[in-house]
Amino acid sequence: QVQLGESGGGVVQPGRSLRLSCAASGFTFSGYVIHWVRQAPGKGLEWVAVIWFDGSNKDYADSVKGRFTVSKDNSKNTLYLDMNSLRAEDTAVYYCAADSNGWNYFDYWGQGTLVTVSS
Amino acid sequence: SYDLTQPLSVSVALGQTATITCGGDNIGSKNVHWYQQKPGQAPVLVIYRDNNRPSGIPERISGSNSGNTATLSITRAQAGDEAAYYCQVWATSSVIFGGGTKLTVL
Repeated sequence: QVQLGESGGGVVQPGRSLRLSCAASGFTFSGYVIHWVRQAPGKGLEWVAVIWFDGSNKDYADSVKGRFTVSKDNSKNTLYLDMNSLRAEDTAVYYCAADSNGWNYFDYWGQGTLVTVSS
Repeated sequence: SYDLTQPLSVSVALGQTATITCGGDNIGSKNVHWYQQKPGQAPVLVIYRDNNRPSGIPERISGSNSGNTATLSITRAQAGDEAAYYCQVWATSSVIFGGGTKLTVL
């Protein structure tokens, strides 16, 4: 059974950093493209970042480019999102989501972790 | 950038058919995917590549895509279908979501 589980969320001050993790189980992690998607309170879904199967290729939404870094450790079946220079508008539930087919849709989602940026 | 437009809300009577649209420039040339999200839960894929259902999704839920509009249809609407629905495409080398539609079952 495919499972994704995010952790690392919490309250952080503006300008500080935070690392989110996404632990995967039940599938060949190295064979999937994995994304981060976020959802601000009461708002819609916003794509954040993507990392390819072997971690060689990455891309980011303009809103986080230069501040967020996505990485993965296939040996630990874990995905990371390093978030720097956090802003109030980064406050959201962050989901990791897996694309098992390469068709750029998400057939598996984690339960999400809440990041609150506030002084 | 590429924009997807969804109505903020749609209402449907119990047992009737709900239709949720997703508008985009020549969206018919793209693969459209749909997610259902209930309050406090993660999204769930309900339609992929325009009109395909993942296992476990009832046949009451279907999709179509042509021209400038993709459509999600839910026949024989049930109380359990009440949720937010999001369309999604891959465009301009990026994942794009529609703004979401809140479906209310009356």
